[in-house]
Amino acid sequence: DAGVIQSPRHEVTEMGQEVTLRCKPISGHNSLFWYRQTMMRGLELLIYFNNNVPIDDSGMPEDRFSAKMPNASFSTLKIQPSEPRDSAVYFCASSLSGNEQFFGPGTRLTVL
Amino acid sequence: QQPVQSPQAVILREGEDAVINCSSSKALYSVHWYRQKHGEAPVFLMILLKGGEQKGHDKISASFNEKKQQSSLYLTASQLSYSGTYFCGTAFSGGYNKLIFGAGTRLAVHP
Repeated sequence: DAGVIQSPRHEVTEMGQEVTLRCKPISGHNSLFWYRQTMMRGLELLIYFNNNVPIDDSGMPEDRFSAKMPNASFSTLKIQPSEPRDSAVYFCASSLSGNEQFFGPGTRLTVL
Repeated sequence: QQPVQSPQAVILREGEDAVINCSSSKALYSVHWYRQKHGEAPVFLMILLKGGEQKGHDKISASFNEKKQQSSLYLTASQLSYSGTYFCGTAFSGGYNKLIFGAGTRLAVHP
């Protein structure tokens, strides 16, 4: 069984560019979470969806960040324009009805 | 709202025991424990849902004291594979389990 799939695994971009991170949750899971992890701020919840509907986006740092879940098997997190302080590892996780969360391998983003 | 984990770091010899604590200033619905190895994603260990509940899994167990709003993770007879950073994630209501993670406790087990 495939776990949560994220792409790309690494992304290096220049300040001002648009970045799109992708996530495919585990089939059958109905909740999807986007996290950001840095040394300074730890593991922060950015936004989560239930049945493809955004439930809480209070963790999204600013308007430059947006997330969508057009269907049960795909979600994107977009940063436009990107800034150096956005450099972090971004994790996507999915769960079934609020139980254990399964994390994807993460996307390491570096904004120069 | 972020739970407070203690200690921040632990160094053990193989076979020694450790306790990691997670405290919240707000009433908890559930506590989740995860372990993350360097360069990898967090991996689920266990969920505690009821006050006073204790769960175990191999030589790792945990308790949840609802009144004190805290949970403890017990690692018994530690193995080298236990090394990593342990996070507690706290949920304040049921439903979708929005988790707020603590800062983590780094555990290093040496031979």
